[in-house]
Amino acid sequence: IVLTQSPATLSLSPGERATLSCRANQNINNYLAWYQQQPGQAPRLLIYDASYRATGIPARFSGSGSGTDFTLTISSLEPEDFAVYYCQQRHTWPSLTFGGGTKVDIK
Amino acid sequence: EMQLVESGGALVQPGRSLRLTCAASGFNFGDYAMYWVRQSPGGGLEWVAGISWKSDNIDYSDSVKGRFIISRDNAKNSLYLQMNSLRPEDTALYYCAKDRGYPPAMDVWGRGTTVTVSS
Repeated sequence: IVLTQSPATLSLSPGERATLSCRANQNINNYLAWYQQQPGQAPRLLIYDASYRATGIPARFSGSGSGTDFTLTISSLEPEDFAVYYCQQRHTWPSLTFGGGTKVDIK
Repeated sequence: EMQLVESGGALVQPGRSLRLTCAASGFNFGDYAMYWVRQSPGGGLEWVAGISWKSDNIDYSDSVKGRFIISRDNAKNSLYLQMNSLRPEDTALYYCAKDRGYPPAMDVWGRGTTVTVSS
């Protein structure tokens, strides 16, 4: 299963809304997770099964979608949200796949 | 506090072997599936291997299948990655990650250990 993330880079200002896309090349139901990676840090789980926030994740992060098209939305960007975001499918568990990532940087 | 600490990364020549270890603490290690994920310099995340809690379900990415072996010792709270026939393209930061349970996702990550394959 191939995951394609778009755009590759998203340039926004603090307070703006961010919309990130992840598209699978076949139906993966809702078996999609989202991770955030800050520079020099390990990834952090944000969302699992397309729309469920992981423990401790702020409500400004939300996920949606099913089948082949998925979206991660950050309702109002905080300074700490500027990072790289990856989607990951578990439809073929324990074989997993990550998308190529979307970098959210400061405009 | 749940913690994962990777070790064993090194500079190694192409064709040689290396064994990575991930030491787990702060949770019941034997209850969870575990993964290895790598990130090449400046690159994205690549899933490498996964193993179920009792080692009866294991899989590898195509890029390492037949060369790498994932294993675990639940009595020692440890995850391993035996890396054989290493290639320059295996150069990366290797993370171990814990599964959250059902539904699966990687909810705890180590800081990673660096493997460099070069002559």
